Amino acid sequence: EDQVTQSPEALRLQEGESSSLNCSYTVSGLRGLFWYRQDPGKGPEFLFTLYSAGEEKEKERLKATLTKKESFLHITAPKPEDSATYLCAVSTGGGNKLTFGTGTQLKVEL
Amino acid sequence: DAGVTQSPTHLIKTRGQQVTLRCSPKSGHDTVSWYQQALGQGPQFIFQYYEEEERQRGNFPDRFSGHQFPNYSSELNVNALLLGDSALYLCASSSISTTGSYNEQFFGPGTRLTVL
Repeated sequence: EDQVTQSPEALRLQEGESSSLNCSYTVSGLRGLFWYRQDPGKGPEFLFTLYSAGEEKEKERLKATLTKKESFLHITAPKPEDSATYLCAVSTGGGNKLTFGTGTQLKVEL
Repeated sequence: DAGVTQSPTHLIKTRGQQVTLRCSPKSGHDTVSWYQQALGQGPQFIFQYYEEEERQRGNFPDRFSGHQFPNYSSELNVNALLLGDSALYLCASSSISTTGSYNEQFFGPGTRLTVL
């Protein structure tokens, strides 16, 4: 059974204080690893897809990386508007089912 | 492009009742997936529809059923509601690429279901 574990569960940063979120996974046949951002009471917003170890993608202050066992979401010089829950998900097998972790709740303070 | 839309936004039901939730996919998408998200948890996969057929199903009982229409929109039906069915129900749409692989899933805003 596919498993996705995210850490830490919650993270509090000062504005401008860079950090990383971790997503470790145990799957058979990874087809893709996805990062989403979710604001309270709303649906997840797509950020990145990573397909193979060594791949990296960037968007504004966010950078996602992938190894054979885990993915990191690096946040550089965060701002209060980056506060949200960040979800990691994997897609395996023949279909497009996503298996999610429980998320990291990020709060960025002034 | 309106993106993925869902209705209603909120719903309150009592135990034993039945509910129908609706989803319209993003323009150009032909695949719809449904997820259940309990408070403080990640979304859990319920099932996926493509070409009006259920293609994959997660670990949910038969009380959960769905349908996809020719215009790719979809419905999620839940019968005999339990208190534990209270959650945010999310619809996600995607498409199959020309290579046969699946592209990213885009989520709607969700329907908040409360069962009393």
